[in-house]
Amino acid sequence: EVQLVESGEGLVQPGGSLRLSCAASGFTFSSYSMHWVRQAPGKGLEHVSAISYNGGSTYYVDSVKGRFTISRDNSKNTLSLQMGSLRPEDMAVYYCAREAGRGSYFGNAFDIWGQGTMVTVSS
Amino acid sequence: DIQMTQSPSTLSASVGDRVTITCRASQSISSWLAWYQQKPGKGPNLLIYKASSLESGVPSRFSGSGSGTEFTLTISSLQPDDFATYYCQHYNSYSLTFGGGTKVEIK
Repeated sequence: EVQLVESGEGLVQPGGSLRLSCAASGFTFSSYSMHWVRQAPGKGLEHVSAISYNGGSTYYVDSVKGRFTISRDNSKNTLSLQMGSLRPEDMAVYYCAREAGRGSYFGNAFDIWGQGTMVTVSS
Repeated sequence: DIQMTQSPSTLSASVGDRVTITCRASQSISSWLAWYQQKPGKGPNLLIYKASSLESGVPSRFSGSGSGTEFTLTISSLQPDDFATYYCQHYNSYSLTFGGGTKVEIK
């Protein structure tokens, strides 16, 4: 079964750090670009970060540049998001998502999503 | 950045109704548009890609149309499982933006 499972949920103080992980299974992870999308409580979806299938290209939305780092380990079928200098506005459910189409980067919709992991930023 | 505007934000309908949701782009995006369904506590589920292509496994009562700046998602006969929130998304650029969502509620 094709599946993405996020982990790393936590409560952190403003200014703190947290690392999210996404474990992929059921498909050739190294062939697909991956994305993080977040959803603040009661709000819509926001694209946060992306990494190409081979890790050679990355993208960050302006609001997280310099604070978040996306990475992947294709030998372990794992996607990560290292989050630093967290702000209250970063509080959200974070989803990892697979971009459809082998080798595509920003060219396709997201065909597989995880169940999400909650990040709470509060003092 | 390209802005995506969905309407309505909330829609009340009954089982069996034909439902249409609109998504407008702030500039032409050709057919680079996807539609997703999201239920509470779950990740989104891809319904339509490239404006009108039905994702594998999605019921045929869902259809998409449009190009350029105006797009629609239609549910031909609303089923109990379809009460959810729907999002459009522009892709194929470094500005991957979502619409604000349309919640389909039971009338």
